[in-house]
Amino acid sequence: NAGVTQTPKFQVLKTGQSMTLQCAQDMNHEYMSWYRQDPGMGLRLIHYSVGAGITDQGEVPNGYNVSRSTTEDFPLRLLSAAPSQTSVYFCASSQIVSRSGANVLTFGAGSRLTVL
Amino acid sequence: GDSVTQMEGPVTLSEEAFLTINCTYTATGYPSLFWYVQYPGEGLQLLLKATKADDKGSNKGFEATYRKETTSFHLEKGSVQVSDSAVYFCAIRGAGGTSYGKLTFGQGTILTVHP
Repeated sequence: NAGVTQTPKFQVLKTGQSMTLQCAQDMNHEYMSWYRQDPGMGLRLIHYSVGAGITDQGEVPNGYNVSRSTTEDFPLRLLSAAPSQTSVYFCASSQIVSRSGANVLTFGAGSRLTVL
Repeated sequence: GDSVTQMEGPVTLSEEAFLTINCTYTATGYPSLFWYVQYPGEGLQLLLKATKADDKGSNKGFEATYRKETTSFHLEKGSVQVSDSAVYFCAIRGAGGTSYGKLTFGQGTILTVHP
């Protein structure tokens, strides 16, 4: 099925470990993004990309790196995990539309990360 | 910057009750407004949207009207079902920014519907 695929669904890390959350979409979407979801805080944008080779920071980028080498993939890297990064992470993608349009994001199912 | 304030939850209703979840926003210009829904164990999915003042978005019996004068986009449903139990998020895309799909979300409202 077409959509956004995230792996892994669950991960437990120790403080200081590194890992990569994978995100892939097969809809040829130009725009891809990573959000984290924390209780009572909604979703907050970590990083986003408007095309291969182009990335930018969102609202809460510290402690995370991204790259976009292909249109399909947008991995999120945690270089040295901290307990404050315990959260549910969502990847989302969309077509880029005109300034007057309304982007509709397609979300993955989420990755639940626990840092001990 | 842009911000969204949603009605605090959780909200618990009996089946066939009327639902309102309040949402107000702060943004420059004329943002696009959205309601997303998250069912247990799943990612978010679009429920409805509105792109200009007085537009009414509707889907699956849910409705919301873009009220520019009160900067609001309240979600309503006349008769909820158990299957509507989920987390509901109000979101905006500011017209003052780029067209890169950066959404600002509210904190989410948990809805539980009992038979």
